[in-house]
Amino acid sequence: NAGVTQTPKFQVLKTGQSMTLQCAQDMNHNSMYWYRQDPGMGLRLIYYSASEGTTDKGEVPNGYNVSRLNKREFSLRLESAAPSQTSVYFCASSRTGGEGNTIYFGEGSWLTVV
Amino acid sequence: TQLLEQSPQFLSIQEGENLTVYCNSSSVFSSLQWYRQEPGEGPVLLVTVVTGGEVKKLKRLTFQFGDARKDSSLHITAAQPGDTGLYLCAGPGGGADGLTFGKGTHLIIQP
Repeated sequence: NAGVTQTPKFQVLKTGQSMTLQCAQDMNHNSMYWYRQDPGMGLRLIYYSASEGTTDKGEVPNGYNVSRLNKREFSLRLESAAPSQTSVYFCASSRTGGEGNTIYFGEGSWLTVV
Repeated sequence: TQLLEQSPQFLSIQEGENLTVYCNSSSVFSSLQWYRQEPGEGPVLLVTVVTGGEVKKLKRLTFQFGDARKDSSLHITAAQPGDTGLYLCAGPGGGADGLTFGKGTHLIIQP
């Protein structure tokens, strides 16, 4: 039972470098999300995709871009990493969006920008 | 964005004790969810409450949704070390889709 798989698990970047976090889900879910989790700030939504071919900004989208490559995959790109983007990133998915729906999370990607 | 305030932020108790953690908002939520997150893992859904005054039980965990649907509580009876983790409440928000989360309660149950 893979569920939501995200890679890499750990990454250290230098300021200004770019990278892409990959995410795939095998539950045939329509909605996918990227969150970041920071101490004292909780989980904050970066971007989401309600269906294949659509993406929308969440609470903290600045400095990020996303691609919903197909129904399974949703990637998050940092074009020019900044120390403020040091965080734990979680990809998640749900069958549909909306209230009461269960969101399934990946195990997280620890990103450090130096 | 509707805000969810969780308290306490940190709680450390001995095995066998009872505890209650809270999730409060000034806004009305149509539903609230509780997630538990263990170190190095993503959050996992425990329960969804949708009706004001609703009480749901999951073994030793009891969840309650306030009558006015502005708050929720999680009560753990006879806490065990396996209950250790970060407990997050969440409600609709954070954009047209997705969830908005509280900052969580870090719970440590000492043997």
